[in-house]
Amino acid sequence: RKEVEQDPGPFNVPEGATVAFNCTYSNSASQSFFWYRQDCRKEPKLLMSVYSSGNEDGRFTAQLNRASQYISLLIRDSKLSDSATYLCVGSPGAYNTDKLIFGTGTRLQVFP
Amino acid sequence: DAGVIQSPRHEVTEMGQEVTLRCKPISGHNSLFWYRQTMMRGLELLIYFNNNVPIDDSGMPEDRFSAKMPNASFSTLKIQPSEPRDSAVYFCASSLQATGSYNEQFFGPGTRLTVL
Repeated sequence: RKEVEQDPGPFNVPEGATVAFNCTYSNSASQSFFWYRQDCRKEPKLLMSVYSSGNEDGRFTAQLNRASQYISLLIRDSKLSDSATYLCVGSPGAYNTDKLIFGTGTRLQVFP
Repeated sequence: DAGVIQSPRHEVTEMGQEVTLRCKPISGHNSLFWYRQTMMRGLELLIYFNNNVPIDDSGMPEDRFSAKMPNASFSTLKIQPSEPRDSAVYFCASSLQATGSYNEQFFGPGTRLTVL
């Protein structure tokens, strides 16, 4: 079983829609979590960190549920430019987040 | 400011040949990471360095792979001999690590390796 698992998608949604991705992790010792975004044939880039209390950045909201060991990302009012692959990332260390474990990604396609 | 620089961007080689991938991290960053990305396995950490010292190489698939960081501004990942199953995109990333906080890893554009 992969340490971080995601539904590969693709999720095809119209502009303006709200879409949510979930991700599960198997290592209960994992302390830190992130969402990265990767455009086609480009490098991954940090989208946002995920905190237990939940955090929001504009149209993006990330949540962490430690009891159920899953992380979610909600995108409101989808834009065409949101089309990308979203990578769920965990790190086993609270104070050493050098080692990142990436999920295989969920592909989002926003259409006009 | 220049980001992480990788070369070559594309490499096509024949099975059995030696392949050397190069990375220049962002100036001032003290940690450097090598990743491999494939459709089947996603993005996997191969090895990472902190202050030029290898910290964790548990992700290196086998002895055919080796990595060096002779100084703070340069690292290489070498595959010798290469095999078709090594075909992937290899990313280098760097960060400025400080204890007690997460420091974003910045990725280079990657090297797309094809071994025939």
